Amino acid sequence: QSALTQPASVSGSPGQSITISCTGTSSDVGGYNYVSWYQQHPGKAPKLMIYDVSNRPSGVSNRFSGSKSGNTASLTISGLQAEDEADYYCSSYTSSSLLFGGGTKLTVL
Amino acid sequence: QVTLRESGPALVKPTQTLTLTCTFSGFSLSTSGMCVSWIRQPPGKALEWLALIDWDDDKYYSTSLKTRLTISKDTSKNQVVLTMTNMDPVDTATYYCARIFVSGHMDVWGQGTTVTVSS
Repeated sequence: QSALTQPASVSGSPGQSITISCTGTSSDVGGYNYVSWYQQHPGKAPKLMIYDVSNRPSGVSNRFSGSKSGNTASLTISGLQAEDEADYYCSSYTSSSLLFGGGTKLTVL
Repeated sequence: QVTLRESGPALVKPTQTLTLTCTFSGFSLSTSGMCVSWIRQPPGKALEWLALIDWDDDKYYSTSLKTRLTISKDTSKNQVVLTMTNMDPVDTATYYCARIFVSGHMDVWGQGTTVTVSS
């Protein structure tokens, strides 16, 4: 099983919106509505931002949203803030296993 | 409040077996739907899922590492143990445990424990 495909980096200015894609196959992203997104700041543990494609855990800003089309899931961050600068990872359930994406470094310019 | 904490050796030698313990609180692994997972992250690299154990003692492993991994639980102690055999320098990483739901999302993570494999 290969890792899910994410862009290595994305950037945006404060206040702008950005979208991070996560591409898999019909056996993982496309086959289940079980895509999660995690934010990781340097030296810290990952934090759950989105689960089951588009659900936000309690306490996560509504500036974060998730969606899916076919084999590609997306994380959108609106109203970019300096504190959003971090690494972002997608994850998908697949046949009694889990896959992560390669991670995307978000830079807030 | 749900918390998890990883513990284990910071340094292991090549070919040795690594044993990591995840001690958790705030939930019970005997409750239906509860699961604990292990994930690792080599320095500067991406997250990699390793293994999962659920409330019913079902176990699931990464396809690429399944021959080297064993996950177990001690419900009375609120602990999950991961062993990884035949350690190699490429296994140098921060190892995390996390509470995970059946859909695969991990809502609470431990702080991680760094393991270096070197002679």
